[in-house]
Amino acid sequence: EVQLVQSGAEMKKPGESLKISCKGSGYSFTNYWIGWVRQMPGKGLEWMGVIYPGDSDTRYSPSFQGQVTISVDKFISTAYLQWSSLKASDTAMYYCARHADGNTHFAYWGQGTLVTVSS
Amino acid sequence: DIQMTQSPSSLSAYVGDRVTITCRASQSITTYLSWYQQKPGKAPKLLIYGASSLQSGVPSRFSGSGSGTDFTLTISNLQPEDFATYYCQQSYSTPPYTFGQGTKLEIK
Repeated sequence: EVQLVQSGAEMKKPGESLKISCKGSGYSFTNYWIGWVRQMPGKGLEWMGVIYPGDSDTRYSPSFQGQVTISVDKFISTAYLQWSSLKASDTAMYYCARHADGNTHFAYWGQGTLVTVSS
Repeated sequence: DIQMTQSPSSLSAYVGDRVTITCRASQSITTYLSWYQQKPGKAPKLLIYGASSLQSGVPSRFSGSGSGTDFTLTISNLQPEDFATYYCQQSYSTPPYTFGQGTKLEIK
């Protein structure tokens, strides 16, 4: 069974750094793109970017390029989303999701990680 | 980037009704269109991919159609568990693979 398990909720102050994780299991981790999706409170889904664990090829939405870093450790089947300096506007639920077999839509989703940034 | 526009933003319906949600792309995306359902406090769930293919385990009352720039999601015989927010997503060519703004389906 394919599973994506995300790290727990985080509460941070503006200016702090953060790295959240998404561990994949039940499939060959290196063979499928994994992406990140933001959902701000009460708002819709925003596609942030994807990474291919096999070679770490990464694609970002222009809206998020330079604002976050997506990375992966294929040896522990884990993808990451990180910020170097959080802002209050980064407060949101963040989902990781995996592409379908041979396709570019998200067939599997993590449970979400709530990030709250407040002074 | 390809923009996705859903309509309506919200609608209300009765159990047993048939509803249609539309999604329009700013350029042709052939059939690279997916639909997701999201319930409060839960991750999105894939319903339809390739514009009209039903994801395994999804009830047959959900159906999708369209190609090019115009797409529809139809839910027949609405059930209480179908009241949720629905999103379309294009995944054509190169990223970013943008989502529509969502349609909230409420019980009348």
